[in-house]
Amino acid sequence: RKEVEQDPGPFNVPEGATVAFNCTYSNSASQSFFWYRQDCRKEPKLLMSVYSSGNEDGRFTAQLNRASQYISLLIRDSKLSDSATYLCVVVHTGGFKTIFGAGTRLFVKA
Amino acid sequence: SQTIHQWPATLVQPVGSPLSLECTVEGTSNPNLYWYRQAAGRGLQLLFYSVGIGQISSEVPQNLSASRPQDRQFILSSKKLLLSDSGFYLCAWSVRGLVTGELFFGEGSRLTVL
Repeated sequence: RKEVEQDPGPFNVPEGATVAFNCTYSNSASQSFFWYRQDCRKEPKLLMSVYSSGNEDGRFTAQLNRASQYISLLIRDSKLSDSATYLCVVVHTGGFKTIFGAGTRLFVKA
Repeated sequence: SQTIHQWPATLVQPVGSPLSLECTVEGTSNPNLYWYRQAAGRGLQLLFYSVGIGQISSEVPQNLSASRPQDRQFILSSKKLLLSDSGFYLCAWSVRGLVTGELFFGEGSRLTVL
């Protein structure tokens, strides 16, 4: 079983749609959680951190459920520029072992 | 500000040839350093991480090795490349001691083994 699992997609949505991605992790000792964005053939870049209390940044909302070991990302009012692969990331206790999910591909269409 | 440099950006190597990818970080001290590999259409696989000079942790058994000869230098090597070593190699750093663990990536090295 992979330590971090995501639905690979692809998700094909029209502009303006709301789309949600989910991620599960298996290591209950994980301490930090993130969503990264990766454009085609580029390096990943941090999108946002994920907290149990929820975290909102403009059109993006991330949520963590520690009891269920589940992380989510919600994108509202999708833009063409949101097309990318979204990577769920888990950091182990100690802060240095960082595990990436395989990513969920999103295509936003005009 | 901190920057991370990784090179070469692209390389094509024959099977059985050696490999050396280099990564340096500027503007910070004592970073955690990482090597990841991403096969075509796949997720990032953690290969090695280092919390200090000469301290290397390997995550996946393979024909690759890593070294950290200086605080802000991380090198990925192989004595004999395999076809399966093809992929996108990414070096990254994070701040030591911070629990957030945010990673900052280099622009990557795209390796094709023929």
